[in-house]
Amino acid sequence: SQTIHQWPATLVQPVGSPLSLECTVEGTSNPNLYWYRQAAGRGLQLLFYSVGIGQISSEVPQNLSASRPQDRQFILSSKKLLLSDSGFYLCAWTNWAWVGRSDEAFFGQGTRLTVV
Amino acid sequence: SQQGEEDPQALSIQEGENATMNCSYKTSINNLQWYRQNSGRGLVHLILIRSNEREKHSGRLRVTLDTSKKSSSLLITASRAADTASYFCATPLQGGSEKLVFGKGTKLTVNP
Repeated sequence: SQTIHQWPATLVQPVGSPLSLECTVEGTSNPNLYWYRQAAGRGLQLLFYSVGIGQISSEVPQNLSASRPQDRQFILSSKKLLLSDSGFYLCAWTNWAWVGRSDEAFFGQGTRLTVV
Repeated sequence: SQQGEEDPQALSIQEGENATMNCSYKTSINNLQWYRQNSGRGLVHLILIRSNEREKHSGRLRVTLDTSKKSSSLLITASRAADTASYFCATPLQGGSEKLVFGKGTKLTVNP
């Protein structure tokens, strides 16, 4: 069965420090991978998505970046965190083989990031 | 940018009552999905309705889709305290895009 791992669960980082959040998927191949951010009590903002190794689409210009070094690994990074980067970060995957065929998305349990 | 917008933003009901949440979207879609999020957790897929379907049922869930109005509704019948969560609609953007965008969600509270 497919599983998605996201860590760490919580993170407190000082302003200006680097960030690296990792997400890995098991039990599927060539998934589409996503990073979302959710502010407290708000909806999900799509940050990045990837349809393959090294292919990253950025939705929101900011000081965050994403990389996909392996098929089932998706990393969210920052060189210098801002206070506004605080939030709940969620990784997700889908496996849409064909145009027009859409299946459900599977989410990790999220990382609560607090920048202090 | 947001594709789906849920309404209401918050809903508080008593156990046993029905809860109805609405979602409006802007562009043409292949399907619309509803998800549930317990506080501080990831989202869990509830139900998917395709653009050529008008209504779909799953247990106590009933979803309708009106493509002419670009809207969908999620009905939870005979609600339970355990249904307390936030509910989101999501649409993959048409045209082969892998983008999956979510609305802002409806926070449902079911009081025992």
